[in-house]
Amino acid sequence: SQQGEEDPQALSIQEGENATMNCSYKTSINNLQWYRQNSGRGLVHLILIRSNEREKHSGRLRVTLDTSKKSSSLLITASRAADTASYFCATDSSYGNNRLAFGKGNQVVVIP
Amino acid sequence: NAGVTQTPKFRVLKTGQSMTLLCAQDMNHEYMYWYRQDPGMGLRLIHYSVGEGTTAKGEVPDGYNVSRLKKQNFLLGLESAAPSQTSVYFCASRPGLSTGELFFGEGSRLTVL
Repeated sequence: SQQGEEDPQALSIQEGENATMNCSYKTSINNLQWYRQNSGRGLVHLILIRSNEREKHSGRLRVTLDTSKKSSSLLITASRAADTASYFCATDSSYGNNRLAFGKGNQVVVIP
Repeated sequence: NAGVTQTPKFRVLKTGQSMTLLCAQDMNHEYMYWYRQDPGMGLRLIHYSVGEGTTAKGEVPDGYNVSRLKKQNFLLGLESAAPSQTSVYFCASRPGLSTGELFFGEGSRLTVL
């Protein structure tokens, strides 16, 4: 079964605004990852946050993790048209089953 | 450095036909995965491999078979294609469990009529 569940599913914002997406999961994890997928392309890794971390930054990306609530958020600051894509969270289970479980994804449209 | 390469990129099959999707990675990664992506469903794991000669089932393995005879290649086979297998298939790899990040191919779009 899917572990990640992003919310909201679709987001439309103006260029320069911030975009926030949430992800919830069900089981204990080693890490949680966020990926971006441009239309018709493969997924590209954005950022990984480990279970003992609460916040991580990478450029305009900020990820938070709350293991007590089993949830994570991805914030994209000062969005650009090039940020238009689908964003997926994926969880790496701490049960050592060697695989990532992906959520259904958030579609983000940044209007120039 | 090509990364993860999937062939073919597009294919149309008739119900009952068979085919094989090839995934090749040149990064010497141990772990390789096959996912399918359907609208509104996210990515679902079909089969995966944690090393040459090993394979394991994911969450939607029925109707598919896989083989990992060489470390760099992971093949996904459809023995008797069904319309329900119309999807975009993604291969991914990673060095090992502790490194986390997956490297994806560009996808193979399969249509079964």
